[in-house]
Amino acid sequence: AQRVTQPEKLLSVFKGAPVELKCNYSYSGSPELFWYVQYSRQRLQLLLRHISRESIKGFTADLNKGETSFHLKKPFAQEEDSAMYYCALRTGYSTLTFGKGTMLLVSP
Amino acid sequence: DTAVSQTPKYLVTQMGNDKSIKCEQNLGHDTMYWYKQDSKKFLKIMFSYNNKELIINETVPNRFSPKSPDKAHLNLHINSLELGDSAVYFCASSDLTGTGANVLTFGAGSRLTVL
Repeated sequence: AQRVTQPEKLLSVFKGAPVELKCNYSYSGSPELFWYVQYSRQRLQLLLRHISRESIKGFTADLNKGETSFHLKKPFAQEEDSAMYYCALRTGYSTLTFGKGTMLLVSP
Repeated sequence: DTAVSQTPKYLVTQMGNDKSIKCEQNLGHDTMYWYKQDSKKFLKIMFSYNNKELIINETVPNRFSPKSPDKAHLNLHINSLELGDSAVYFCASSDLTGTGANVLTFGAGSRLTVL
């Protein structure tokens, strides 16, 4: 079965601390993974996708097929990073399956 | 210009009523979606249309009926509203092929409250 697991509902860190938001997936096909972010009172938007291999707002994510993970990392968290983060897996022709989301709170 | 726009933004109604939420995209995308975000912020796909044709219909009560008059519009009609329908409904669009395939552009959401 296709599944996306984000084990942490809430992650609270101090400004300047490293951040890692965990995402594990279960999928029998070739995975395509994304991170979406929803800032307070803003619409959900794409943060990054694994095939782009880019760093957006200091965030990176590496697909690890051996561990079936796509963790989102940032070396130094900023207050403006506080948001809801969703990991998503393309599971079919046009289907994105989302994880349950992790709320990141960055305190000053 | 707003890429994906939904109306209304807020909708408060009584149980048993019928209501519609409209969505329009001006990105030229060929695929549109409805997602439901519940009170725990869990996002779940409801429907997907590609060029006006239904391609995904998840396990959703048949009280929910999507309608796509053209590929730029996907409306959601809900009959006999129930308390459990209270949620934020997000419209999204994407292309199915090309470099932007499956990169969803979301609307701002429509918060439905059923009393």
